[in-house]
Amino acid sequence: DGGITQSPKYLFRKEGQNVTLSCEQNLNHDAMYWYRQDPGQGLRLIYYSQIVNDFQKGDIAEGYSVSREKKESFPLTVTSAQKNPTAFYLCASSIDRGSGELFFGEGSRLTVL
Amino acid sequence: DAKTTQPPSMDCAEGRAANLPCNHSTISGNEYVYWYRQIHSQGPQYIIHGLKNNETNEMASLIITEDRKSSTLILPHATLRDTAVYYCIAEGYTDKLIFGTGTRLQVFP
Repeated sequence: DGGITQSPKYLFRKEGQNVTLSCEQNLNHDAMYWYRQDPGQGLRLIYYSQIVNDFQKGDIAEGYSVSREKKESFPLTVTSAQKNPTAFYLCASSIDRGSGELFFGEGSRLTVL
Repeated sequence: DAKTTQPPSMDCAEGRAANLPCNHSTISGNEYVYWYRQIHSQGPQYIIHGLKNNETNEMASLIITEDRKSSTLILPHATLRDTAVYYCIAEGYTDKLIFGTGTRLQVFP
């Protein structure tokens, strides 16, 4: 089945450690996105990529980094510079920037101890 | 980017229609109305979208007023599995979609 796979589902890390969250899609979509969700809140855009080897900052990019070396993969690194990294992270993809229909993964819940 | 306003919560009896309103009075001509829902601790799921005309699919119907300043998502026969947070978004580009706090729909037996 086509879809988006995020891993790991749950992750615990010590303060000061970098963490990389995986996102893979087999939908042949050009655009991919990372969102952050805090309890009781909506989603905030961290980074997005419209095409391989290109990505743009979203609203809350500070303390995060991404890469897009392959069309199907868009990993997110939460660096030690992110002051409050504990959150629910969601990856999504769309056919392109104008399609409007986002396909989401099941999310990765990061807890920093 | 057009701002949307939704009630924070709504209740609906199982089997009845759930009508979720959304105001988007500043929507511009090229912005679509999108609806997504998020079941607890899962990724959001696309439901439906429209520009001017009413739309229907297997999940829901979308009614957009003639002046496009508001819309209503209709779940014709709500089930317990429809309990979720519903997001209404007015936007033209996927990388500009703003997921606010939405409407928390509780379907009760």
